[in-house]
Amino acid sequence: EAGVVQSPRYKIIEKKQPVAFWCNPISGHNTLYWYLQNLGQGPELLIRYENEEAVDDSQLPKDRFSAERLKGVDSTLKIQPAELGDSAVYLCASSTTGELFFGEGSRLTVL
Amino acid sequence: DQQVKQNSPSLSVQEGRISILNCDYTNSMFDYFLWYKKYPAEGPTFLISISSIKDKNEDGRFTVFLNKSAKHLSLHIVPSQPGDSAVYFCAASRRSSGNTGKLIFGQGTTLQVKP
Repeated sequence: EAGVVQSPRYKIIEKKQPVAFWCNPISGHNTLYWYLQNLGQGPELLIRYENEEAVDDSQLPKDRFSAERLKGVDSTLKIQPAELGDSAVYLCASSTTGELFFGEGSRLTVL
Repeated sequence: DQQVKQNSPSLSVQEGRISILNCDYTNSMFDYFLWYKKYPAEGPTFLISISSIKDKNEDGRFTVFLNKSAKHLSLHIVPSQPGDSAVYFCAASRRSSGNTGKLIFGQGTTLQVKP
């Protein structure tokens, strides 16, 4: 069974540029999450989807971050414009009930 | 406000000995706890979990203990192996309120098992 797939694995951009991350969850997992992990910290939830619906986006900085999950499968997370402080690993995860299965993450470096 | 805390950033143990990783939490509404392991350049992988109705859960070399009165949980690895060297994250959630997926993570503890 394929795991959670994320792309790109690494992205380097200059500040004020836009960036987008893509996630393909495990087949059959209705719940999809985007987490942010800063260096030396644990992951923090940005947004949670139940199928196409964003049921918890309270931690998403909506002035520059946006996410979508069209058709309730793949999801994209966008940052526009990126700031230096956005340098981090963006993790996607999916689940049915209980345990979350994480992708390998997308490491963003903003110069 | 850090609701889940792992106060030891790192731990080093000898191969074959016991590794004990600790985690404290402040929110008494948490009712489900998990441990994740993370290797460099990989995403966290689920290791073991425990519900608040239990005080112990065991899976092979891994055992999680929960002390609700102290708001403390620990992960025991016996015997420790070099392949266990990784960052270990403690996480908590409120399953009863439907927030199963909103995991609150600790900062992580880096475990090094020396051959």
